[in-house]
Amino acid sequence: NAGVIQTPRHKVTGKGQEATLWCEPISGHSAVFWYRQTIVQGLEFLTYFRNQAPIDDSGMPKERFSAQMPNQSHSTLKIQSTQPQDSAVYLCASSSFDERLFFGHGTKLSVL
Amino acid sequence: AQSVTQPDARVTVSEGASLQLRCKYSYSGTPYLFWYVQYPRQGLQLLLKYYSGDPVVQGVNGFEAEFSKSNSSFHLRKASVHWSDSAVYFCVLRRAGNYKYVFGAGTRLKVIA
Repeated sequence: NAGVIQTPRHKVTGKGQEATLWCEPISGHSAVFWYRQTIVQGLEFLTYFRNQAPIDDSGMPKERFSAQMPNQSHSTLKIQSTQPQDSAVYLCASSSFDERLFFGHGTKLSVL
Repeated sequence: AQSVTQPDARVTVSEGASLQLRCKYSYSGTPYLFWYVQYPRQGLQLLLKYYSGDPVVQGVNGFEAEFSKSNSSFHLRKASVHWSDSAVYFCVLRRAGNYKYVFGAGTRLKVIA
């Protein structure tokens, strides 16, 4: 069991560029969550999938952020036209039937 | 709306001393409560969880937490800390039927010799 895998570990983009972050949940887990972590805001919920269906995206900034889960083995978080304020560590987590969250190591996004 | 407050942003304790990290939650129903720990350069890991029953729950590495409905609290304790316990600790709330986890701001624990 490799745990939740997030790639890349670090991503540097220029302002206005697009960033795509990948998450591979633990095999057999039915739920996938995305969070954003910054020093100022702490851990913020972004969005949640259950059995690949989007359930709650109330934490997603509406204009430039989107998330997908095309199959059971991966989810993506896409940020269009990245801005410096998007710089953060983006965490993916998955959970099983007992609803315990397993987190990946995160992707550190730096927007220059 | 539910919320979680960890009033202490930073806590420093001596190795071998006892520890209590405070957590207060705001939610009118019955909460599911968790403590997660984030070690340097590692992902968040579950320490313990409370769903119902005995208000004192045991976790990994000698940690325990006590749920108090009357005080809306879920404080984390350890009898004797080790330098390796230095990390950031998050108190987390989830309500039944909703899979959105609400995280506290975290408490950074530093254990000194």
